[in-house]
Amino acid sequence: ETGVTQSPTHLIKTRGQQVTLRCSSQSGHNTVSWYQQALGQGPQFIFQYYREEENGRGNFPPRFSGLQFPNYSSELNVNALELDDSALYLCASSLTSGISTDTQYFGPGTRLTVL
Amino acid sequence: AQSVTQPDIHITVSEGASLELRCNYSYGATPYLFWYVQSPGQGLQLLLKYFSGDTLVQGIKGFEAEFKRSQSSFNLRKPSVHWSDAAEYFCAVGNAGNMLTFGGGTRLMVKP
Repeated sequence: ETGVTQSPTHLIKTRGQQVTLRCSSQSGHNTVSWYQQALGQGPQFIFQYYREEENGRGNFPPRFSGLQFPNYSSELNVNALELDDSALYLCASSLTSGISTDTQYFGPGTRLTVL
Repeated sequence: AQSVTQPDIHITVSEGASLELRCNYSYGATPYLFWYVQSPGQGLQLLLKYFSGDTLVQGIKGFEAEFKRSQSSFNLRKPSVHWSDAAEYFCAVGNAGNMLTFGGGTRLMVKP
């Protein structure tokens, strides 16, 4: 069984640029959630994707957007990067059946630095 | 809105001593509660979870947690800490869609 994988591991961008982060979900999981973890803080929920649709969103501006593909993998896109976007971006996958979603399992994260 | 408070930012214990990490939550319905552990520069590993049923839950690595509805708490415990337990610990509450709200974390240091 393959766990959650994320790419790239590290990324350096400059202010105003755009970035795409990728996540492959764990085998058998159909739901992907993204979190932002600033240095020294707990992760904050960005959004969740289920059946290729955004299923819930935290308090993040529209320049944070995402996609989920038919194989349940996902992308997080951030436009017009700001210095405060520097963080560890975590992807988590889970299985949704009916109206409930099971435990989330996290990938190792992508460390984004914005200069 | 749901929220989680971890009152202790840093805790230092001696190896072999017992450990309790505190977590208080705010949530309107029956919560889904989790404890995750994070080693430096790594992702989050699930230690244990509470969805329903027995309020004392057992997890991996010898950890346990007790759900106390009257106190809105879900404290994590371990009877004897090992040096390898040094890490950051996060408590989280999830809604029905399991969108998680995390606390600020507690950094555990273990003295030899």
